[in-house]
Parts: sequence; structure tokens; C-alpha cells
Amino acid sequence: DIQMTQSPSTLSASVGDRVTITCRASQSISSWLAWYQQKPGKAPKLLIYKASSLESGVPSRFSGSGSGTEFTLTISSLQPDDFAIYYCQQYNSYPWTFGQGTKVEIK
Amino acid sequence: QVQLVQSGAEVRKPGASVKVSCKASGYTFTSYYIHWVRQAPGQGLEWMGIINPSGGSTTYAQKLQGRVTMTRDTSTSTVYMELSSLRSEDTAVYYCARFSGSRAAFDVWGQGTMVTVSS
Repeated sequence: DIQMTQSPSTLSASVGDRVTITCRASQSISSWLAWYQQKPGKAPKLLIYKASSLESGVPSRFSGSGSGTEFTLTISSLQPDDFAIYYCQQYNSYPWTFGQGTKVEIK
Repeated sequence: QVQLVQSGAEVRKPGASVKVSCKASGYTFTSYYIHWVRQAPGQGLEWMGIINPSGGSTTYAQKLQGRVTMTRDTSTSTVYMELSSLRSEDTAVYYCARFSGSRAAFDVWGQGTMVTVSS
């Protein structure tokens, strides 16, 4: 199975900060990676697909980059609505695995 | 609008089975694969498997092989996930999610179904 490792596990930041979350795959997954945002009691929401494509309706302050084994999700200017847990997921091979999540909390 | 609506919360005893439904609307049911993902309380997301609503073919996570069965009913645009021989570790929120081939990602999710396994 491909292991997905996110860092950090928790991130404390203030409104307006630039935030970067890293996701590393245990083997190359090309660009078959997505990022999701999850808020308490809600289903995950797609933010980024194919490593760097922004899902329709998602604010442009979110961006994704990377390929192979290292990927990043960047929020250019953190907004109050962005405090949540973020997950990466690989689609290169079954089983499709998720990172353990990164909680973005208010500093 | 495009949506996936899941059945309500369930409580089962260890060793029992549970069947969760996921009804699709607002799009052509047979055009998108459906996946199941679960999330134990306070934990991360775990992929369980996939069903092709068109032909009914499935692929399951190896750790659930033999206990999970995914089926579909094209007449009602509904997919089902049945999990048997339940254990306390199966207590989780179960989500169905639509896989968009063009995006290669889960673009629509159900609201989740809480399954509690307790004696």
C-alpha cells in the first residue's frame, strides 16, 4: 500500500497568514493527488485535484503543487472559514489512501 | 442538483451486519463510479472500496475483503454497502462519494451515516 504522510499534524495560524501543508507519498504517484477540507460533522469537500487543479467554486487563495512523491497545499491568506482539517489522497493505485490529516487551528 | 443521500444512523451488536444505502440524484447514475470511505470517531479517512454502477463490478480494500459487499440498484439509482461480522472497531461514519473521472477525485459526497457497534 502507498503510505501518505502529511506534515505538520497541527498548524496554528492567524487570519491573513500564508499556510503550507506538505504531503509525501511512499512511492511515486505522478500527479494523482487530491486535497480535501473537512469541518466538524461534515463530509470532506474537494479543493484540489490532479495535484494542482482548483475545483470549481473553491477560492483562489487555495493552490496545490507537486508531483511524484512530494506535494503541497498552500493557502495564501488564511480566512476564518479556512480553520478545518485538510487531507491529501492518492489515486495512483488501490487501496486509495489518505494522509492522516492536518488540523489548521486559530493561533 | 447533484447529490448523494444516505440512510440514517444504525446501531448493531458485535457479530451482526449493517447495510447502508446511498441514493444518487441530479446526474446519470451509471456514468460515475461510487466509492465508500469511513471515518472512526476522531480519526482520519479510510477508503473501503468502489462499485461501478453500470456493470456492478467492485474492488474492495484488502483489510475488508470477505466482510464488505457493495451492490447497486439501477432502477432506484441507489448503491448499498453491507458490512458483516461487525466489531467495535467498525464504529464510524460511513460516506459514499462520487468519483469524477475528469477530475480524478471525489467531487460529491453523501452526508455520512453513523454506524455504532456496541453490545
